Amino acid sequence: GQQVMQIPQYQHVQEGEDFTTYCNSSTTLSNIQWYKQRPGGHPVFLIQLVKSGEVKKQKRLTFQFGEAKKNSSLHITATQTTDVGTYFCAGRWAGGTSYGKLTFGQGTILTVHP
Amino acid sequence: SAVISQKPSRDICQRGTSLTIQCQVDSQVTMMFWYRQQPGQSLTLIATANQGSEATYESGFVIDKFPISRPNLTFSTLTVSNMSPEDSSIYLCSVAGGSETQYFGPGTRLLVL
Repeated sequence: GQQVMQIPQYQHVQEGEDFTTYCNSSTTLSNIQWYKQRPGGHPVFLIQLVKSGEVKKQKRLTFQFGEAKKNSSLHITATQTTDVGTYFCAGRWAGGTSYGKLTFGQGTILTVHP
Repeated sequence: SAVISQKPSRDICQRGTSLTIQCQVDSQVTMMFWYRQQPGQSLTLIATANQGSEATYESGFVIDKFPISRPNLTFSTLTVSNMSPEDSSIYLCSVAGGSETQYFGPGTRLLVL
């Protein structure tokens, strides 16, 4: 089946350091979405990327969608303790017939040491 | 964005029993999704529930084990049947919003002894 591979699985950083997580799909995506799950919480939608080569920013977070629409990244500048959580990418495949159906990556667990 | 509630928020159950999880949305939605998230793992889609039709199950999940009801556009239930310790997990419902983004309920944390 279609999969989205996400790396790294874990990332430990000192507060103030940068953080990046990457997602890759073997097939072209219609769009890719990013979600954040705080410890003990549920996934919360962050952003959706649709266009080839798209870059979007949310304060210290920068999201990129590859030119081939097969990979994506989330970069956090100068991490803060509030950034702690698991970051998931979720892919929607081109040609998918079920509205809204996503396949989630494995997630990257981010811990930030103060 | 939709506001979603789930009941129960957590439960401890004995093996061999069944648990029904309820998902309530504050607005009418066509598609609802049920996910399982095992500890420290990603989200695995169990099934897609449309109002007025049979749920569509993903590979590895069957109706006998995870029967789903979708009686109207704001409510759905997922039953975990004949539970075993391997069913210990977080069960999440979600709805598809605009642009196919998803909004999740708070989850049901299930422990099977």
